[in-house]
Amino acid sequence: EAGVVQSPRYKIIEKKQPVAFWCNPISGHNTLYWYLQNLGQGPELLIRYENEEAVDDSQLPKDRFSAERLKGVDSTLKIQPAELGDSAVYLCASSLGASVSTDTQYFGPGTRLTVL
Amino acid sequence: DAKTTQPTSMDCAEGRAANLPCNHSTISGNEYVYWYRQIHSQGPQYIIHGLKNNETNEMASLIITEDRKSSTLILPHATLRDTAVYYCIVRPGTYKYIFGTGTRLKVLA
Repeated sequence: EAGVVQSPRYKIIEKKQPVAFWCNPISGHNTLYWYLQNLGQGPELLIRYENEEAVDDSQLPKDRFSAERLKGVDSTLKIQPAELGDSAVYLCASSLGASVSTDTQYFGPGTRLTVL
Repeated sequence: DAKTTQPTSMDCAEGRAANLPCNHSTISGNEYVYWYRQIHSQGPQYIIHGLKNNETNEMASLIITEDRKSSTLILPHATLRDTAVYYCIVRPGTYKYIFGTGTRLKVLA
């Protein structure tokens, strides 16, 4: 079974430029998560989708970050414009659902963003 | 949300059991204990989870104390490929995983 796929794996951009990350979850997984991981820290949740609906985006900095999950499968996370402090690893995860019995999360390899 | 406390780092000899402790003294009755690990430059990998009873799978064993205030992840025969950061997470009755800084396990040849 294929795992969570993310692309690109690495991205280097100049500050103030836009950037987008793509995620394809495990087939059949209705719940999708985007996390941010700073160096030496654990991942922190940015947004959670149930199918195509963003049900928790309370930690997403909405002034520059946006996300979408059209058709309830693939998802894109965008930053516009990027700032130096956005340099981090962006992780995507998916789970069957969000209940106790279905919410074990499986993570992709992440996209390492460097903003110069 | 219950907080977890883990040692910052540990070493283990290859072939020996690695025992990774986690303290979660404020855990409540419906909160699960999850363990993930993160190998360098990869995303976190699910290992095991449990509520009250000890659990075992092909990767590891999870021992939860009777009062549930602490747990131990056991890798029975550690290999060099087990070198990673191990995260103990107490998951509240929702989907939210709150990761700490984890334990950096180094398996020594």
